[in-house]
Amino acid sequence: GNSVTQMEGPVTLSEEAFLTINCTYTATGYPSLFWYVQYPGEGLQLLLKATKADDKGSNKGFEATYRKETTSFHLEKGSVQVSDSAVYFCALTDRSGGSNYKLTFGKGTLLTVNP
Amino acid sequence: EAQVTQNPRYLITVTGKKLTVTCSQNMNHEYMSWYRQDPGLGLRQIYYSMNVEVTDKGDVPEGYKVSRKEKRNFPLILESPSPNQTSLYFCASSPGRGPYEQYFGPGTRLTVT
Repeated sequence: GNSVTQMEGPVTLSEEAFLTINCTYTATGYPSLFWYVQYPGEGLQLLLKATKADDKGSNKGFEATYRKETTSFHLEKGSVQVSDSAVYFCALTDRSGGSNYKLTFGKGTLLTVNP
Repeated sequence: EAQVTQNPRYLITVTGKKLTVTCSQNMNHEYMSWYRQDPGLGLRQIYYSMNVEVTDKGDVPEGYKVSRKEKRNFPLILESPSPNQTSLYFCASSPGRGPYEQYFGPGTRLTVT
């Protein structure tokens, strides 16, 4: 079956530090990959996505590259801000097994950015 | 504004008292789904629907029912809630075509005592 493994954290950084959150996946087919972000007390928001090998998703200064050879989709940001404090989820969807567009999530990484 | 809405946002109830959590989307999406989020377990799919009158079980369907009578609405029904259904519930929708990203509602925090 499909699975997503991401570093569990928590991760604590100072403002303007570099961020990396590792994510690796296992999928039976050729998945689409996503990063979602959950701010305190809110629902999940799509942060970025990639649908094929070597695609780079980017949004709000965050980037992630779909690496098929290493089955990875690591999230990076060059300079984090206090407002980036949230829980980050790596996820995939894989339609090779049928018609369910189910998202398979990692367990989430709590990021806290201090001023 | 394109969005997924859920009601109620917070609910405290007692064991065995039937409840319904509503979900509505205004994006004309074909696909809708319910997830529950639990500490240490992440998000798990409960039920999903490919279109009107087409629903199927996800990974953790026990104790839940759903219906899809209209394209925009996908209510989650707990006929006889139990304490192990205390959780944070999210409804999501997708246009039903690649790359299949899903758009989430704000969540419903349910406590069953």
